[in-house]
Order: sequence, then C-alpha cells, then structure tokens
Amino acid sequence: GAGVSQSPSNKVTEKGKDVELRCDPISGHTALYWYRQSLGQGLEFLIYFQGNSAPDKSGLPSDRFSAERTGGSVSTLTIQRTQQEDSAVYLCASSSAGTGVDEQFFGPGTRLTVL
Amino acid sequence: GEDVEQSLFLSVREGDSSVINCTYTDSSSTYLYWYKQEPGAGLQLLTYIFSNMDMKQDQRLTVLLNKKDKHLSLRIADTQTGDSAIYFCAERAGGYNKLIFGAGTRLAVHP
Repeated sequence: GAGVSQSPSNKVTEKGKDVELRCDPISGHTALYWYRQSLGQGLEFLIYFQGNSAPDKSGLPSDRFSAERTGGSVSTLTIQRTQQEDSAVYLCASSSAGTGVDEQFFGPGTRLTVL
Repeated sequence: GEDVEQSLFLSVREGDSSVINCTYTDSSSTYLYWYKQEPGAGLQLLTYIFSNMDMKQDQRLTVLLNKKDKHLSLRIADTQTGDSAIYFCAERAGGYNKLIFGAGTRLAVHP
C-alpha cells in the first residue's frame, strides 16, 4: 500500500510570495499532522487534524500559516507572505489515531527555501 | 512546558554499542518513541516504550526509561554502518496525539 506522499518535494520561492504544500495521508488514517524541521533543530509540531473535530492549531507560528483538510483526506498547508525564516522541511504524518502506540507514518517532506 | 532534549552527535566504532540519551519534561507522557531518519528518507518509527515500563528490548535495541529522572535512552548493540542516521526522541503527552520531538542525535559509525 502507498505511504504518505507530499508535494512538491522541493519548493523555492521569493520572500513575500504565498506557497501551498500538499499532503496525501495513508488511506483510512483519520489523524493527520504537520511538522516543521529546521536545520539543526527537531521537529516542531504545527497542526493536527482528527476526523471531524476542530483541528489543534496550537503549533502554528503565526497567522501567516494555515491548513485545511478536505473530505477527511488530503491536506494543504498554506504559508502567506513567506519569510526567510520559514525555510525548512515541512513534514506530514498520518495515523489511525487509535488507542495504544498510535504510530505516526511520515511522508518524505517538502523542502521549502525562501530567497 | 514541553521540552525534549538530546545530545546532537555521537560517534562510535563499528561493532561497539551506541547509547543515545534523551530527557523530557512532561511527566504525563504516555508513550515515548525513538524515530530514525536516514539520509534522504523520511522518519520511521524505530521503537517505543509505554510509560509504565522500565525497559524494552527488541533484537539489537534496548530502551531504558527512568520516569523519576524523566530520562530515556536507546542502546544499539553491535552498531553497524547501516545504523548511521539521525535518531529522534519524542514524547506523547497525556491526552494528546501530537508528538514533541527532540533535536535529534546524529549517529556516525566508523570502521
């Protein structure tokens, strides 16, 4: 079966432009997560979707960041008016959100470079 | 607050044991995880431990959990060059599904 896929794999943009990053989770997974990995730093939680519940947006660094998940499947992370400090690898993960270990399966990431 | 810390770099000789350490702050953490990130690849779950356990062994991997000190370690026996990667410690706080990750420990294995 297919894993988590993300597109594009690389994105170079100019400061001030908007970007959209896409995540296709594993089919049937109800939970979807976005993380950001900056150089030399760990993964920073951004946002979490679980079924039809309101998303947990507690990790979004500013109001320039938003995300949506349509039809409980595909998710798009949008960064408006990008800044150089937004340069990072953006990782998406999905899980079945069951009880227990609830393993998160990660996509390959989108490397965003803001010039 | 939530914070997970780990040393950034570890170098070992092939065949030796590697020990990667991690400290966390949230005493309500239910599960603690070790993820592995190989060059050019995504993160993969390596192993995990439930908070009511002290130790978990899985082939060459041994996870030790000291809840009193909020200290987690990963021991890799007979380390091989294929073990070279970045290892991330992560905690799952009680009542939440999001993971809080450390900065990652880069393991370099040399002959």
